[in-house]
Amino acid sequence: KQEVTQIPAALSVPEGENLVLNCSFTDSAIYNLQWFRQDPGKGLTSLLLIQSSQREQTSGRLNASLDKSSGRSTLYIAASQPGDSATYLCAVRPTQGGSEKLVFGKGTKLTVNP
Amino acid sequence: EAQVTQNPRYLITVTGKKLTVTCSQNMNHEYMSWYRQDPGLGLRQIYYSMNVEVTDKGDVPEGYKVSRKEKRNFPLILESPSPNQTSLYFCASSLGLGYTGRYHFGSGTRLTVV
Repeated sequence: KQEVTQIPAALSVPEGENLVLNCSFTDSAIYNLQWFRQDPGKGLTSLLLIQSSQREQTSGRLNASLDKSSGRSTLYIAASQPGDSATYLCAVRPTQGGSEKLVFGKGTKLTVNP
Repeated sequence: EAQVTQNPRYLITVTGKKLTVTCSQNMNHEYMSWYRQDPGLGLRQIYYSMNVEVTDKGDVPEGYKVSRKEKRNFPLILESPSPNQTSLYFCASSLGLGYTGRYHFGSGTRLTVV
C-alpha cells in the first residue's frame, strides 16, 4: 500500500530564507507526483506536477525534484515571503489500484515571518 | 474558465437529515472523485467515477452515496449524516483513465454535523 510522508509537519522561517520541504513515498510505481498549496479552510492549488520520467519542474521561485528510485521529492522555495505561508501537500498517483486516486501526505504547514 | 464548482461552501446540519453536496465541472472530464480531509488523517478518497453511470468505492465510502447521471455533475449524498462525517470535502476531476496530467480540485465544502 502506497504511503506518503511529509517532513517536517510544520516549519517557521524568517522572510527571505530559502527552504526545502520533503516528501517521501513507499512505492516507486507512480505515474507522477504533484505538489499542492492549501490556504486555511480553502481549496487545493496545484503548484507543480512532475511526471515519473522527469527529474524536476520549476515555476517562478518554486522548484520541485523527484527521485523515483529512492521514493523522494523536495519542494524548494527561494526567497520566501509571508504570502508563501500555507500548508503544502505532496501527492502521488500510483500506477496500481485502478481507482485513479491521488495518495496524499499530511502536509507541511509553513509560516514565513516578516 | 476551467473549473470545478462545489456547493455549498459551508454547511451545518443535524444528525440524520439527508443532504447533498453538489460538484460540477466544465472541462468535459470523464473522471471525477470525492475526497474528505481530516486533521491527522490527510485526504482520503470516498468515491470515484470513471464516466457516466460508472461509480465505485474509494477508501472510505461508508455513509456516502454518489451518482453520475451526467458527465459534468457528481453529487455526494449523505442519506443520514452523523457527527463523524464532519469534515472538509473536495471534489476533483481529470480527463480520464490513464491521463497523467493535473487533477482539478474544487474549493471545498466544510460540513459540520451536530
